[in-house]
Amino acid sequence: NAGVMQNPRHLVRRRGQEARLRCSPMKGHSHVYWYRQLPEEGLKFMVYLQKENIIDESGMPKERFSAEFPKEGPSILRIQQVVRGDSAAYFCASSPRQGQRRTEAFFGQGTRLTVV
Amino acid sequence: DAKTTQPPSMDCAEGRAANLPCNHSTISGNEYVYWYRQIHSQGPQYIIHGLKNNETNEMASLIITEDRKSSTLILPHATLRDTAVYYCIVRAYSGNTGKLIFGQGTTLQVKP
Repeated sequence: NAGVMQNPRHLVRRRGQEARLRCSPMKGHSHVYWYRQLPEEGLKFMVYLQKENIIDESGMPKERFSAEFPKEGPSILRIQQVVRGDSAAYFCASSPRQGQRRTEAFFGQGTRLTVV
Repeated sequence: DAKTTQPPSMDCAEGRAANLPCNHSTISGNEYVYWYRQIHSQGPQYIIHGLKNNETNEMASLIITEDRKSSTLILPHATLRDTAVYYCIVRAYSGNTGKLIFGQGTTLQVKP
């Protein structure tokens, strides 16, 4: 059973470009969470999604950032018009839907975004 | 979600047990205690979780006090590869909740 897959592992973008980060949850998981970790800082919650629904986006910056988790395919975190301050590691986690015996959330290895 | 309090750092000798404490005095009845760790800049790794009973798996043991206001993660025989930041998190899993809120964690340094 493959774990949470994130790609790309490393992404370099010039200021003003768009960054697209993808996350494929573990098989059978329907909840996805995105986190950001700035250099030398802790993990900050960004957004919580279920299939085709945003459940909690309280940690998302108001502008330039968006996330989706379509019925088919991976979850996408999109950052428009990137700036140097967006340089960070972005982690995705997935967990099963409610009612499952196992409730743990598992993380991917992250995407390191560098804005030049 | 309830807040947790952990010591910022701890040392442990290789081969000895590492006991990492966590206070969560405002925990609610439907909140679980989860432990994760982050080794260097890798993705956080799930370790163990529990509600009110002590739990053990192949990685660690989790001891939760009877009043559930504190817990201890035990790594029975720490190795150098256990050097990491350890996070204690309380998490509800009902309704539309479920997100994990990370604090500053405890940096565990295992020394030879």
